[in-house]
Amino acid sequence: AQKVTQAQTEISVVEKEDVTLDCVYETRDTTYYLFWYKQPPSGELVFLIRRNSFDEQNEISGRYSWNFQKSTSSFNFTITASQVVDSAVYFCALSEDGGTSYGKLTFGQGTILTVHP
Amino acid sequence: GAGVSQSPSNKVTEKGKDVELRCDPISGHTALYWYRQSLGQGLEFLIYFQGNSAPDKSGLPSDRFSAERTGGSVSTLTIQRTQQEDSAVYLCASSLDVFVRGYTFGSGTRLTVV
Repeated sequence: AQKVTQAQTEISVVEKEDVTLDCVYETRDTTYYLFWYKQPPSGELVFLIRRNSFDEQNEISGRYSWNFQKSTSSFNFTITASQVVDSAVYFCALSEDGGTSYGKLTFGQGTILTVHP
Repeated sequence: GAGVSQSPSNKVTEKGKDVELRCDPISGHTALYWYRQSLGQGLEFLIYFQGNSAPDKSGLPSDRFSAERTGGSVSTLTIQRTQQEDSAVYLCASSLDVFVRGYTFGSGTRLTVV
């Protein structure tokens, strides 16, 4: 069965600090997809990134970067020079490619990030 | 529509009453998913539709929960005889199809059972 673990329940940083959110996953599939979502106080889940299991290249998008390592089953997310607007709950999620549940997302428990001015 | 629309945004109901939650996916999206977000359980998968069919209902917590989708578009999640433990935010997401993995989520319906 697939599982996603976000060990950090809450993180608090001061603006301009760098912060890394950890995500570890478990799956038996060789083909799968990993995601990060942001949930601001408004409640809507905002898509940040999708990665498939065959693409281990790290990705950078502005202040955001992602480190995907299959060897450790991790997909960590780093925010550089954090800002108050980054305060939100961040979810890591996994979607397998087999069985009848195509596209079903399994979410981690989420990490509450608070960035103080 | 431009995004996934859910209604109502908030619903307060008395224990034992039935409720219906509605999801309008993005036009042309054939895959539709329901999730539940509660304090103790995080984000849980409930059911997904491909067109009007529901190949996977494994996440529905009890037989009080049901969902349907008509015309390959609007979906309704119905909870019968609501219980306090049903209180949660119910989120809907749609995707062009099940293989694309490009999910767009709605803002959710916050259900409170009193």
